[in-house]
Amino acid sequence: GDSVTQMEGPVTLSEEAFLTINCTYTATGYPSLFWYVQYPGEGLQLLLKATKADDKGSNKGFEATYRKETTSFHLEKGSVQVSDSAVYFCALSLTRGNTPLVFGKGTRLSVIA
Amino acid sequence: GAVVSQHPSWVICKSGTSVKIECRSLDFQATTMFWYRQFPKQSLMLMATSNEGSKATYEQGVEKDKFLINHASLTLSTLTVTSAHPEDSSFYICSAPGLAGSEQFFGPGTRLTVL
Repeated sequence: GDSVTQMEGPVTLSEEAFLTINCTYTATGYPSLFWYVQYPGEGLQLLLKATKADDKGSNKGFEATYRKETTSFHLEKGSVQVSDSAVYFCALSLTRGNTPLVFGKGTRLSVIA
Repeated sequence: GAVVSQHPSWVICKSGTSVKIECRSLDFQATTMFWYRQFPKQSLMLMATSNEGSKATYEQGVEKDKFLINHASLTLSTLTVTSAHPEDSSFYICSAPGLAGSEQFFGPGTRLTVL
């Protein structure tokens, strides 16, 4: 079946450090890929997305490139801030609209000053 | 962007009572909505797919008689936890797909605590 695997946390970084959270997927078709962020006590917010191979999604300094050859969608940020502390979820969707997302297990990021 | 709201944002109830959680799409229509459950420090677990005008589709292992879902209109789905027990305490999140693409819009979640 379709699945998403992301690196296990927690990840603890110092402020201004470089961040990479690995995400790989298994899918029978050509999925759209997403990164969602969940701040403490809140719901999920879309961080960025990519809908086809070689697309790069970016938002708030975060980037991820859809790599079909390695079935990956790694999340990166050049310089993290304390406010980036949250749980990050990688997800995929195979069809448009009325199907749920398939989520990875989430990676908790803590950034310390 | 599209907005999904949930009400209440948190609720505390006694064991044996029923609790209703509402999920609304505020500026778009959603014939389908999804209900997830999230335990502390864990990922989202899909519970059921709510379909406007028809019965919900439940994931394996989810008791449909305990978690009643009603999709009353194109903008409202409700999840009722019947005869709640402490093990039902969790964070419940709904989502709705947008009009274009495969993106989902998530509600802010409802934290249920059953005493």
